[in-house]
Amino acid sequence: DQQVKQNSPSLSVQEGRISILNCDYTNSMFDYFLWYKKYPAEGPTFLISISSIKDKNEDGRFTVFLNKSAKHLSLHIVPSQPGDSAVYFCAASARGGSYIPTFGRGTSLIVHP
Amino acid sequence: DGGITQSPKYLFRKEGQNVTLSCEQNLNHDAMYWYRQDPGQGLRLIYYSQIVNDFQKGDIAEGYSVSREKKESFPLTVTSAQKNPTAFYLCASSIDLDRFDRGPRNEQFFGPGTRLTVL
Repeated sequence: DQQVKQNSPSLSVQEGRISILNCDYTNSMFDYFLWYKKYPAEGPTFLISISSIKDKNEDGRFTVFLNKSAKHLSLHIVPSQPGDSAVYFCAASARGGSYIPTFGRGTSLIVHP
Repeated sequence: DGGITQSPKYLFRKEGQNVTLSCEQNLNHDAMYWYRQDPGQGLRLIYYSQIVNDFQKGDIAEGYSVSREKKESFPLTVTSAQKNPTAFYLCASSIDLDRFDRGPRNEQFFGPGTRLTVL
């Protein structure tokens, strides 16, 4: 049973527009959330994270929003650039699990010029 | 120039053979992890180690074995007991938060991956 769900396998966006990637989780013990970006045939790289004590964290063009009551988080990329085309993984972790993240299946983002 | 390396990048194995994937890090991280990625799947945890000479099974440990004799190294052996070994294998490392109580920031640093194909 998936504890972290990314229900959209793919997303296509035009350059300059906003990309919104969504993630839902079921385990209420999760208290730290991360986004990773992955290019083909490479390892994922950390992008941005958020603690459950916050509802928003921003880093340049990337903003993560957390809605604890809905067990939902989203990653906003504004403006989207062709170099953002990659697979984005949402991950969630909990102190009880030694903060080892549980990953979603990923969303493939394609940004068209 | 710190980082995490995996070798080889591509590996071919005949059915019934064991094979060992290398993972080395010079980030001075205590914790190391092995994940497997299949098409359309997320990263699934095989084994992890939070300290030298200790390791724990992840969600899909059957058919795999590991060792952690040195802090820098965490090799993964894919044994002939693994029913479907063809996959992309990723190694990662991180600061061990439980030991240093630094809070929840536990981003992992990943290696470039090894693609294993069983012929």
